[in-house]
Amino acid sequence: TQLLEQSPQFLSIQEGENLTVYCNSSSVFSSLQWYRQEPGEGPVLLVTVVTGGEVKKLKRLTFQFGDARKDSSLHITAAQPGDTGLYLCAGAKDSGYSTLTFGKGTMLLVSP
Amino acid sequence: DTAVSQTPKYLVTQMGNDKSIKCEQNLGHDTMYWYKQDSKKFLKIMFSYNNKELIINETVPNRFSPKSPDKAHLNLHINSLELGDSAVYFCASSQAPHAGRNGYTFGSGTRLTVV
Repeated sequence: TQLLEQSPQFLSIQEGENLTVYCNSSSVFSSLQWYRQEPGEGPVLLVTVVTGGEVKKLKRLTFQFGDARKDSSLHITAAQPGDTGLYLCAGAKDSGYSTLTFGKGTMLLVSP
Repeated sequence: DTAVSQTPKYLVTQMGNDKSIKCEQNLGHDTMYWYKQDSKKFLKIMFSYNNKELIINETVPNRFSPKSPDKAHLNLHINSLELGDSAVYFCASSQAPHAGRNGYTFGSGTRLTVV
């Protein structure tokens, strides 16, 4: 079983603060994705990283894939209440019909 | 237009009953999935279908029977419901074969409560 460990499990911060969420595994993935899930909805894809060391930016969100493709981080600058949600990382192996393996998520609460 | 739609949104039923959840996607994707999200928000794969054919069955009890009449639909039928089946069930789709690079599109989930 390819396990993805996310930390922290829960994060409560004030608007304007910066934060980083981590996703770690002992397995190598061909790609890693980040999703955000809001209450009562399904996860929504934010980004896919494919190359070791790759950095992608989505407005105030910065995603990085580890050099060895075993870990990833999500950094949010100047968090806003609209960033509140469950952040999930998911790893994929492009071998045949593989499915995504999800981490257990980081619940982020940003207070005004 | 909703890309992946599931019905019903909520389902409350008694132990021992049989129920079905329906899923449809209008994205033209080849692959569809059922995931179960438990009370701790952990998403676990149940089934994966590619062009109507079952390709992954992750040790799910045989009380759960998926059916894919065509590649745009993947339904989930559950027999003899148990308390432990209570969870949120998500349908998702992706463009095979590189599902990992294109990502999944999820439905909004079906919250199943067995009482």
